Amino acid sequence: QQPVQSPQAVILREGEDAVINCSSSKALYSVHWYRQKHGEAPVFLMILLKGGEQKGHDKISASFNEKKQQSSLYLTASQLSYSGTYFCGTVTNNNDMRFGAGTRLTVKP
Amino acid sequence: DGGITQSPKYLFRKEGQNVTLSCEQNLNHDAMYWYRQDPGQGLRLIYYSQIVNDFQKGDIAEGYSVSREKKESFPLTVTSAQKNPTAFYLCASAQGLVDTIYFGEGSWLTVV
Repeated sequence: QQPVQSPQAVILREGEDAVINCSSSKALYSVHWYRQKHGEAPVFLMILLKGGEQKGHDKISASFNEKKQQSSLYLTASQLSYSGTYFCGTVTNNNDMRFGAGTRLTVKP
Repeated sequence: DGGITQSPKYLFRKEGQNVTLSCEQNLNHDAMYWYRQDPGQGLRLIYYSQIVNDFQKGDIAEGYSVSREKKESFPLTVTSAQKNPTAFYLCASAQGLVDTIYFGEGSWLTVV
């Protein structure tokens, strides 16, 4: 029931772009994206609601394709501070928030 | 300030012991969640509760128990039936399906 994330890991140089994908086999009400540093709680990035939408702030944006139950997180012109593990969380009508296994992003100078 | 408080931050459990992790929120949220995170792994849902006196099993509920007697409190008990409890435990809360989910700082549990 957990969403599937890909890729598992990404290594970038500063300024490069990355895309992280998230898919679910269940009908979704919303998709949430978080970034986590080691040993810390996840930090909220954005939420996308059913109805299909795209959101973004600064150089991080995301889209949600309700028909395919897929979401993608776009990181452009990556910075060192973007390093961490990115999780997508999916919510169904049961209000059960489940997370993918995570994508480890490493940004190098 | 509003938020979620988890305690203790670090906890050691002996074999055969039950331990309880506390989670308190003052955000007036209806929904609360418990997740387990193993090193280098994702967050797995243990239990969640949408209202007081009601809760549902998540994907890895075996060996754990919860209660929801008050809206602001959702304690997690790791029982002796949980054979491999060493992990990072995160409590979270949200108002509804479209709300941001807020996390506590987490609790590290180690079996000694």
